[in-house]
Amino acid sequence: DGGITQSPKYLFRKEGQNVTLSCEQNLNHDAMYWYRQDPGQGLRLIYYSQIVNDFQKGDIAEGYSVSREKKESFPLTVTSAQKNPTAFYLCASKVTESLGAEAFFGQGTRLTVV
Amino acid sequence: GQQLNQSPQSMFIQEGEDVSMNCTSSSIFNTWLWYKQDPGEGPVLLIALYKAGELTSNGRLTAQFGITRKDSFLNISASIPSDVGIYFCAGHLSGAGSYQLTFGKGTKLSVIP
Repeated sequence: DGGITQSPKYLFRKEGQNVTLSCEQNLNHDAMYWYRQDPGQGLRLIYYSQIVNDFQKGDIAEGYSVSREKKESFPLTVTSAQKNPTAFYLCASKVTESLGAEAFFGQGTRLTVV
Repeated sequence: GQQLNQSPQSMFIQEGEDVSMNCTSSSIFNTWLWYKQDPGEGPVLLIALYKAGELTSNGRLTAQFGITRKDSFLNISASIPSDVGIYFCAGHLSGAGSYQLTFGKGTKLSVIP
């Protein structure tokens, strides 16, 4: 079935460590997004990518990095520079701009710093 | 980044009651989307609206695209326990460089059996 797969579902990180969250989609979507969700904050955009080998910072990119080497994949690295990384992370994808606005989400990864 | 004003923030209702929530923006959009998020899961798209004044239904859910293009409403009729979750609105304005959705902060719905 077509969809977006995030892994792992739960992730624990020690302070000072980098961790990478996986996001894979087989919907043939060009655009992919990473959001951070904290209680009462809604969804905040971290990074987005419109095409392979190109990505743009969102509203809260500090302490995060991404890559887009393949159309299907958009991994997010949470670096040690991110001061408060404990959150629920959501990946999304959508078709190109001209074909619609509907974004589809993965199941999320809950990251906890221990 | 821009945020939509979504209200109410939370609701407690009795099973069987109707629910109404809305989103407003200072900017116009040409697409409105409504999502539902279950605890610990990703948001799922419920309804997409593409034309000002459009009224669209999906089962017990009905959503409307405001005439001014600055607001949208979601109604749930005859609520049931599985309606519990967080409902998000999202606005999109197509055009040069506009690849982002703007999200509201969500309405948390609790249904009392």
